[in-house]
Amino acid sequence: EVQLLESGGGLVQRGGSLRLSCAASGFTFENFGMNWVRQAPGKGLEWVSVMSGSGGATYYADSVKGRFTISRDNSKNTLYLQMDSLRAEDTAVYYCAKSPTFIAAHLDSWGQGTLVTVSS
Amino acid sequence: EVVLTQFPATLSLSPGERATLSCRASQSISSYLAWYQQKPGQAPRLLIYDASNRATGIPARFSGSGSGTDFTLTISSLEPEDFAVYYCQQRSNWPPLTFGGGTKVEIK
Repeated sequence: EVQLLESGGGLVQRGGSLRLSCAASGFTFENFGMNWVRQAPGKGLEWVSVMSGSGGATYYADSVKGRFTISRDNSKNTLYLQMDSLRAEDTAVYYCAKSPTFIAAHLDSWGQGTLVTVSS
Repeated sequence: EVVLTQFPATLSLSPGERATLSCRASQSISSYLAWYQQKPGQAPRLLIYDASNRATGIPARFSGSGSGTDFTLTISSLEPEDFAVYYCQQRSNWPPLTFGGGTKVEIK
């Protein structure tokens, strides 16, 4: 059974930094693209970033480009999201989600999410 | 960027009724559309991928159709656990992957 467990969320001041983690189990981690998707309170879903299975390719939404960095450690089956220069509009639940392919596609498994609150 | 528009925003129905949800893309996305269900306080769950393929473990009452720019998610007979918010998502032209704004299916 695929399991994704996010951690690292919390309250941070505007302009601050936070690193999220997503521990994966139940599948061969290095074979699949992994994504971050966020959801602001009471709002819809917004894709944030994806990293290919090997880690060789990364893509970002324009809203976070240059501020967020996705990475992964395939030896630890863990995905990360380094978030810098945080803004109030980054406040959201952040989900990690697995692609069924090497890079982005639909998202076939999701974690339970971790809440990031940026105070102004 | 491909913009997905979902309608209606809210659908008020009774258990046992048929639900028809729509998703329209701003440009052709072939069949590269997925549908998700999200209940309050929970993560989204994949229902349908590539327009018409049910994900693992999804009941047969959920079906998807469409191609190009117009897509439909149909729930043939609503069960109490189906009242939730539904999102569509495209993977044809990315980045970015984009989602629709959601349709809330509520109990009438």
